[in-house]
Amino acid sequence: GAGVSQSPSNKVTEKGKDVELRCDPISGHTALYWYRQRLGQGLEFLIYFQGNSAPDKSGLPSDRFSAERTGESVSTLTIQRTQQEDSAVYLCASSFSGMDTQYFGPGTRLTVL
Amino acid sequence: AQTVTQSQPEMSVQEAETVTLSCTYDTSENNYYLFWYKQPPSRQMILVIRQEAYKQQNATENRFSVNFQKAAKSFSLKISDSQLGDTAMYFCAFPHAGNQFYFGTGTSLTVIP
Repeated sequence: GAGVSQSPSNKVTEKGKDVELRCDPISGHTALYWYRQRLGQGLEFLIYFQGNSAPDKSGLPSDRFSAERTGESVSTLTIQRTQQEDSAVYLCASSFSGMDTQYFGPGTRLTVL
Repeated sequence: AQTVTQSQPEMSVQEAETVTLSCTYDTSENNYYLFWYKQPPSRQMILVIRQEAYKQQNATENRFSVNFQKAAKSFSLKISDSQLGDTAMYFCAFPHAGNQFYFGTGTSLTVIP
């Protein structure tokens, strides 16, 4: 079956612009995660959705970051007024439940000039 | 606090040899899962193996096995008969209360022909 997909695969934007990153999870997966991975580093947890609610938003780096999820489907991560330090690969993952194996998408590489 | 530590930033192994990657973690929980993920140069993260903490038997998946020592909070990954395709970043991961996933900083493994 189809895996987790993310779009766009690459995004180059100018400092100060808003960007929207999209994640399509595996059908039937109730849990969805967003992570940030800076070059050569590990994964930084951003936010977790169970269904369309996000019980834990503490990982979002600042109020410029927000995320939504429609039902148990698509999620979007929005970064407003992008800064150069936002440059990273943004990974999305989904799983059947919160403690289960996560399946990752290919990521969106964001470059802020 | 929940932390995951991978103390080996880089490792190399000769093809067909065995290598062990270390991971330690800190938690006050009693029932949890532990995961090893692999991120090849193409960057899509995939699951290697997982261990349930309530199981005393170490998990095994073909050439991959773990040495899980709950009391010591240690979760090492052993790769037997290393293959060139095993070259990747390896991340140890630990979910906390189903909300946040903590990932280690990763070990870059190179299999030498």
